[in-house]
This record gives sequence, C-alpha cells and structure tokens, in this order.
Amino acid sequence: NAGVMQNPRHLVRRRGQEARLRCSPMKGHSHVYWYRQLPEEGLKFMVYLQKENIIDESGMPKERFSAEFPKEGPSILRIQQVVRGDSAAYFCASSPGWDTYEQYFGPGTRLTVT
Amino acid sequence: ILNVEQSPQSLHVQEGDSTNFTCSFPSSNFYALHWYRWETAKSPEALFVMTLNGDEKKKGRISATLNTKEGYSYLYIKGSQPEDSATYLCASKIIQGAQKLVFGQGTRLTINP
Repeated sequence: NAGVMQNPRHLVRRRGQEARLRCSPMKGHSHVYWYRQLPEEGLKFMVYLQKENIIDESGMPKERFSAEFPKEGPSILRIQQVVRGDSAAYFCASSPGWDTYEQYFGPGTRLTVT
Repeated sequence: ILNVEQSPQSLHVQEGDSTNFTCSFPSSNFYALHWYRWETAKSPEALFVMTLNGDEKKKGRISATLNTKEGYSYLYIKGSQPEDSATYLCASKIIQGAQKLVFGQGTRLTINP
C-alpha cells in the first residue's frame, strides 16, 4: 500500500507565475489536509477536503490560494501569482476519516519563488 | 485562537538516558491530541492519537499520557537511542466547527552517543 504521494518534490517559480502542487492520498483515504511550513516555523493548517468538497479552509490565505479534491485524481493546491513569501514546504496528509484517525503525511513539496 | 505550546524547544540527551517533554493545549472543546515524530528529510509519522482524560499509550520505548482537564500531555522516551533523534510534534483537534489539527512548534530531540 503506497503512502501519500506528493509531486513535484521541488518546485521553482518566478514571481507572478502559478504553482500547482499535487497530492495523492493513501488508498482508501478520502480525507485530505494541506499544511504549510514557512522557514523557521511549524506546520500550519491550510485546508481540509473530502472528495469534491472543501470542509474547512480557515487556514487558506484569502487571495491567490485555492484547493480542490476532484472525484477522480489527486488533490491540487494552486497558488496563483506567487510571491517570495509563498516559499515554503507544503505538506499533504490523508486519513480514512475525520474522527480520531491519525493523519499520514506525504514527503512534501518545497516551493521556491525567485 | 487555539495555541498549542511545546516545551522545551530543544533537548540534548545522553544515549541510554530517559527523557520527557510537554505539550500544552486549551482544554475547552478538546477532541483529540496527536503526537508525531518527524525526522529530518522525512515526513511526520504518527505516534499516538489520544482522546480520553487519563489515557496512556505506549509504543516500544515511547509512551504518552493525557490530561484533558488541565490541558497537557507528556511524551516519555525510555533508554534513548540515537535513532530517537527527531522533532516531536503534538497537535490538538478541537470540535468547534473548524475541523483541523493545530500543531505545536515541536521539541527537537538530539541523542548524544
């Protein structure tokens, strides 16, 4: 059973470009979470999705950031018009349910904005 | 605002010694407390999920306790080994509309051979 997959592992974008980060949850998991780790900071919750639904996006910046988890395919975190402050490691996690299940983390995507 | 605090921020322990560190969280609307182990260049790995006051969980040489009334959890490592070197994260889940884990900053543990 493959773990949570994220790609790309490293992504370099120039200011103003778009960044697309992908996350494939573990098999059988329908709950996906995105976290961001800014330099010298801890993991910060961004968004929680189930298939085709955003459940909680209270941690998402109001502008330029969006997330989806379509019926088929991976979850996508999209950052439009990236700025230097978006440089961070973005982690995805999945779980089979919300309740008391542990979350399984992917290896992360390190985004660098030049 | 939900603040999860961990102490100490970093810790150096001699191989073979036992150690423990603390996670503090708001006790209101508490739902669950998660502990994760995060080695450098790897993904956070779940250790425990705890929900009940007085809960104690154990995995090998690592154990954790939970006090939901006063809002703290301890993680214990017995007989530390070099492979225990990692950052240990705790995260609290509250049930108040928002369905998310709020992570502490972590305790960075280094085991000296």
